Amino acid sequence: EAQVTQNPRYLITVTGKKLTVTCSQNMNHEYMSWYRQDPGLGLRQIYYSMNVEVTDKGDVPEGYKVSRKEKRNFPLILESPSPNQTSLYFCASNSGQGSSTDTQYFGPGTRLTVL
Amino acid sequence: RKEVEQDPGPFNVPEGATVAFNCTYSNSASQSFFWYRQDCRKEPKLLMSVYSSGNEDGRFTAQLNRASQYISLLIRDSKLSDSATYLCVVNKNTGFQKLVFGTGTRLLVSP
Repeated sequence: EAQVTQNPRYLITVTGKKLTVTCSQNMNHEYMSWYRQDPGLGLRQIYYSMNVEVTDKGDVPEGYKVSRKEKRNFPLILESPSPNQTSLYFCASNSGQGSSTDTQYFGPGTRLTVL
Repeated sequence: RKEVEQDPGPFNVPEGATVAFNCTYSNSASQSFFWYRQDCRKEPKLLMSVYSSGNEDGRFTAQLNRASQYISLLIRDSKLSDSATYLCVVNKNTGFQKLVFGTGTRLLVSP
């Protein structure tokens, strides 16, 4: 089954404690993204990757890091989480062709609370 | 001004009703357009792409007006299962997807 998986699904942590949210896709997609979703603000892109070892900042990259060492995995790293990073996070992937029929597949989401 | 604007709703409609959602976008160079559906606390899923000529998928019809930078979604014969948030999404890039999401319009269909 084609899917994007994220772990953990729920996480409560404290300010400053480094954490990693993993993301993996089994569709051989080149393009992967991380988004955060906050009430009244919609989904905003944090980082994206167009292929292995190619990453770039999205609209809200501050406080986040990513890596793309393998095509299937795109972890999101919070080196020193702060309460304003409390949010619902989605990983997504698509083939990267950018056509009007290209579907972006989302993972199930990670609900992060930073105390 | 937000790049993609939607009425947040909620739209409360009875089963069987026809309901229309509108969306405007600010970047005239936007390349492609989509409607995504998001159930409460779940991931967004593609409902349909929006083509310049308008397109229909069963009870759902999407329209694009590039001149007015306006996208619409019409749902006919609403079902209880249509209750969700509908996200207007615009791809402002060529070559690869650079999606900009509206904040969504919430639909509640009641018996």
